[in-house]
Amino acid sequence: AQKVTQAQTEISVVEKEDVTLDCVYETRDTTYYLFWYKQPPSGELVFLIRRNSFDEQNEISGRYSWNFQKSTSSFNFTITASQVVDSAVYFCALFNQAGTALIFGKGTTLSVSS
Amino acid sequence: NAGVTQTPKFQVLKTGQSMTLQCAQDMNHEYMSWYRQDPGMGLRLIHYSVGAGITDQGEVPNGYNVSRSTTEDFPLRLLSAAPSQTSVYFCASRADSFYNSPLHFGNGTRLTVT
Repeated sequence: AQKVTQAQTEISVVEKEDVTLDCVYETRDTTYYLFWYKQPPSGELVFLIRRNSFDEQNEISGRYSWNFQKSTSSFNFTITASQVVDSAVYFCALFNQAGTALIFGKGTTLSVSS
Repeated sequence: NAGVTQTPKFQVLKTGQSMTLQCAQDMNHEYMSWYRQDPGMGLRLIHYSVGAGITDQGEVPNGYNVSRSTTEDFPLRLLSAAPSQTSVYFCASRADSFYNSPLHFGNGTRLTVT
């Protein structure tokens, strides 16, 4: 069975702190795709990044970076120098090999205070 | 380009009533799906469709019905609403020809069943 675990339910930081959101996945598929989505207080779901199982390179986009490690089945997300606008619920998700279902973790609520 | 449009944004139903949540996309996406979001549960797949005339069940299909008569529309029907169906519902689509393409989400429908 496929599963995504986000062990951190809530994280609170002060602005300018770095924060890492953990994501651990389970799958027997040899080909799979991992995603991160952001849900700000306004409620919409915003796509952040996609990573396929072939590519273990880390990725950096501005203050955001992602660390994908197949050996530990993890796809962690780091925000550097956090800002109040980063306050949101963050979801890690896994697409099954058939491509029919995106399986979500339960989400991590990040609160950044000024 | 409107993307994925969901209507209504809010709805209150009484137990036993029926209703249809509307979802339309203008991106010519083959794959469409419905998720529900409950506190602490993340997003769970209700039903999905890989093209007009084809639908299948997701993780939590009971109490819901779908049909896909056109590429653009994927309505979700609640046949006899129950308080357990109080949730936020998201419709999503993706270009099925790109297996690793991310889901595009609508802005959600907040449903309360009393």
